[in-house]
Amino acid sequence: AQSVAQPEDQVNVAEGNPLTVKCTYSVSGNPYLFWYVQYPNRGLQFLLKYITGDNLVKGSYGFEAEFNKSQTSFHLKKPSALVSDSALYFCAVRGHYGNNRLAFGKGNQVVVIP
Amino acid sequence: DAMVIQNPRYQVTQFGKPVTLSCSQTLNHNVMYWYQQKSSQAPKLLFHYYDKDFNNEADTPDNFQSRRPNTSFCFLDIRSPGLGDAAMYLCATSRVQGGAGEVNTQYFGPGTRLTVL
Repeated sequence: AQSVAQPEDQVNVAEGNPLTVKCTYSVSGNPYLFWYVQYPNRGLQFLLKYITGDNLVKGSYGFEAEFNKSQTSFHLKKPSALVSDSALYFCAVRGHYGNNRLAFGKGNQVVVIP
Repeated sequence: DAMVIQNPRYQVTQFGKPVTLSCSQTLNHNVMYWYQQKSSQAPKLLFHYYDKDFNNEADTPDNFQSRRPNTSFCFLDIRSPGLGDAAMYLCATSRVQGGAGEVNTQYFGPGTRLTVL
């Protein structure tokens, strides 16, 4: 079975500081990894995904994520956080032999302090 | 812009009164999903359509049904809503062509927030 762990409930960061949201995964075979962001009363917006190739993936709104196979991690990063980045962030995984079902983590609330 | 549309955005119903939520898409994707999301929790997959094939999750209550009359539209029917069914309902779509190792992004609509009185 595939699963995702997002260990922190909330991440607080000062505006302008680097932002990191942690994600570790468990899956059979090669993982396919996704990050989504959700603003209040909105659906999930796709940020980026890792399928294969370069371990550093660049996505929307200045976000990037680094795939680390040995640590089974896919942490989301942004060099300089904005107040508008305050939202709920979900990591998701699908296994290589999956059926397009995604396993979502519980989500991390990010609060960027002005 | 191609997109996933959900109507209504907010729905209030009474305990036990059937309700239907709507999803439409202009992406021409062949897979459509319905998720239930409660108070900042992870979305929970209820079922999905792969083309016309309906795929129910094992733990989805019988109270939840779905219809997909054509490629563009998909409906979620809750036959007898209970207080525990109050949640955000998210529709998502993806294009799957069935190739080996194919991985396709799911794109989400804005959601419908259901309140049960």
